[in-house]
Amino acid sequence: AQSVTQLDSHVSVSEGTPVLLRCNYSSSYSPSLFWYVQHPNKGLQLLLKYTSAATLVKGINGFEAEFKKSETSFHLTKPSAHMSDAAEYFCVVSESGQAGTALIFGKGTTLSVSS
Amino acid sequence: SQTIHQWPATLVQPVGSPLSLECTVEGTSNPNLYWYRQAAGRGLQLLFYSVGIGQISSEVPQNLSASRPQDRQFILSSKKLLLSDSGFYLCAWNQGGQVPYGYTFGSGTRLTVV
Repeated sequence: AQSVTQLDSHVSVSEGTPVLLRCNYSSSYSPSLFWYVQHPNKGLQLLLKYTSAATLVKGINGFEAEFKKSETSFHLTKPSAHMSDAAEYFCVVSESGQAGTALIFGKGTTLSVSS
Repeated sequence: SQTIHQWPATLVQPVGSPLSLECTVEGTSNPNLYWYRQAAGRGLQLLFYSVGIGQISSEVPQNLSASRPQDRQFILSSKKLLLSDSGFYLCAWNQGGQVPYGYTFGSGTRLTVV
């Protein structure tokens, strides 16, 4: 069965410092992996996705993530945090090849950015 | 281009009252449609998904039901709301087929049951 574990429920960084949000997954098949961001009382916005192409995936707003099959990880990084990055981030897995298969969400990581 | 509309944005309902949340998608045909719920302090939980008109799969037994009367319309309903139904409800769609293309989410409905 698929599952996603976000290792930190809350991450705090200073503006201009690097961001690391950790995610481990479990999947029986070749997974597709996503990172979504949710600002307060807003819907979800896709940051980036991995679908068995390049293992280093670049997304919007300077975020990127690296798929490491040996470690079953898909950590999200950004070199320099901005105040506007403060939000909740969700790591998500979906099994490839399953029409209509829905997404499995991690419990989320709240990112706080201080000035 | 494709767009997804979800309404209302916020809703306050008394316990025992009915519920109807609507979601529509434009600019595509035969989408997969989903309803998710986000309870306070928790991740998103899949409630229902649909791969076609009249086809509904339920992931979690609960006080809610879903219907898909038209290809691009997905409705979440309840006959009698419970306090535990409070949460943030998100509709989403993606294109059908073997490859799970990126999902697109609506802007959500904040439901408070009082």
